[in-house]
Amino acid sequence: DQQVKQNSPSLSVQEGRISILNCDYTNSMFDYFLWYKKYPAEGPTFLISISSIKDKNEDGRFTVFLNKSAKHLSLHIVPSQPGDSAVYFCAAPETLIQGAQKLVFGQGTRLTINP
Amino acid sequence: DAGITQSPRYKITETGRQVTLMCHQTWSHSYMFWYRQDLGHGLRLIYYSAAADITDKGEVPDGYVVSRSKTENFPLTLESATRSQTSVYFCASRHGEAFFGQGTRLTVV
Repeated sequence: DQQVKQNSPSLSVQEGRISILNCDYTNSMFDYFLWYKKYPAEGPTFLISISSIKDKNEDGRFTVFLNKSAKHLSLHIVPSQPGDSAVYFCAAPETLIQGAQKLVFGQGTRLTINP
Repeated sequence: DAGITQSPRYKITETGRQVTLMCHQTWSHSYMFWYRQDLGHGLRLIYYSAAADITDKGEVPDGYVVSRSKTENFPLTLESATRSQTSVYFCASRHGEAFFGQGTRLTVV
């Protein structure tokens, strides 16, 4: 069962507008979330994170919002630029009984910024 | 250079062959992971390791074997490659956020 879900496989946005990428999770024990960005032929790179004690975290053009009651988070990119075209993954660390942690990823959303 | 490196970047192998994908990190992070990326599935965890000599299965471990005799290395072996194992494989280490290698594109023919 997928614990982190990104239900939109793709999103197309005009340059300069806002891009909103969504992510839902099912595990109420998740207390930290990360967004990764991936270009073709490269590994994913960390973009921004948020702790469950916050409902918003901002870093330049990127803002992540967390709605714990809805088990939903979103990544906002304002303004969108052509270089933002990439696949975006939402992820959360899952803590196992023995204390180990593993990162669980969503399916990814391919964002295309059109000039 | 500090970082995480995977080798080879590209590999074509035949069904039934044994293949080993290498992963090396320079930070001495405790956690290391192997993921595969497939269309429609995102990044799925194959195996992970919390420290040297401690490994555990992820979501899709069947057909794979890992070892971690040293903190900095985490090789992934396909014991008898199958076409369904054609994929892009990513190794990662974690301290806070995870840092990924550039990936190995494996094709099994």
